Amino acid sequence: DTAVSQTPKYLVTQMGNDKSIKCEQNLGHDTMYWYKQDSKKFLKIMFSYNNKELIINETVPNRFSPKSPDKAHLNLHINSLELGDSAVYFCASSPRGGGDTEAFFGQGTRLTVV
Amino acid sequence: AQTVTQSQPEMSVQEAETVTLSCTYDTSESDYYLFWYKQPPSRQMILVIRQEAYKQQNATENRFSVNFQKAAKSFSLKISDSQLGDAAMYFCASRSATNKLIFGTGTLLAVQP
Repeated sequence: DTAVSQTPKYLVTQMGNDKSIKCEQNLGHDTMYWYKQDSKKFLKIMFSYNNKELIINETVPNRFSPKSPDKAHLNLHINSLELGDSAVYFCASSPRGGGDTEAFFGQGTRLTVV
Repeated sequence: AQTVTQSQPEMSVQEAETVTLSCTYDTSESDYYLFWYKQPPSRQMILVIRQEAYKQQNATENRFSVNFQKAAKSFSLKISDSQLGDAAMYFCASRSATNKLIFGTGTLLAVQP
């Protein structure tokens, strides 16, 4: 029944490793997002995909690579993890065009780089 | 450029009282939408209320209402009859016609019993 699900919920890893976070939505939405929430709770948009096509790519290091195999999935792969990558990462989805419709968020993935 | 500013990092209110959270925004688009989201300690992002920019009437959802001043680019959230469960981080957000949804820095609301 979960609308937007992310896995894993928690991820602890060492510097230099490569890791992925998976996101799936069962709402039939066309648009999916990745956000990073830092320790001060600031939510910054990273990427947005519309029906598997990248439409927003904010200033994010190219160590971060989103992958959308189909419109229901948007995974985030991070190479060569750094301490500063520690944060909570949220996946979200909304209908195409957005408008006043609600964006649905996953429960977040807390990434800790040690 | 699309920006959202919340100037109150923290607010406190007594249970059953009313509190207003401030938000200003800037956008060059004529078509946009505004939202308030709540994030309790569980981390889940929950939509509180939404407003279409082309509507002059202020949105209301039970104890939550907004004061939308389009000319001033202001979108404040009023919470009436505050309850302990209202304690959370509140984010103001705007969505452009290109579906870019961006957030303010948040206001942490404490509710005192």
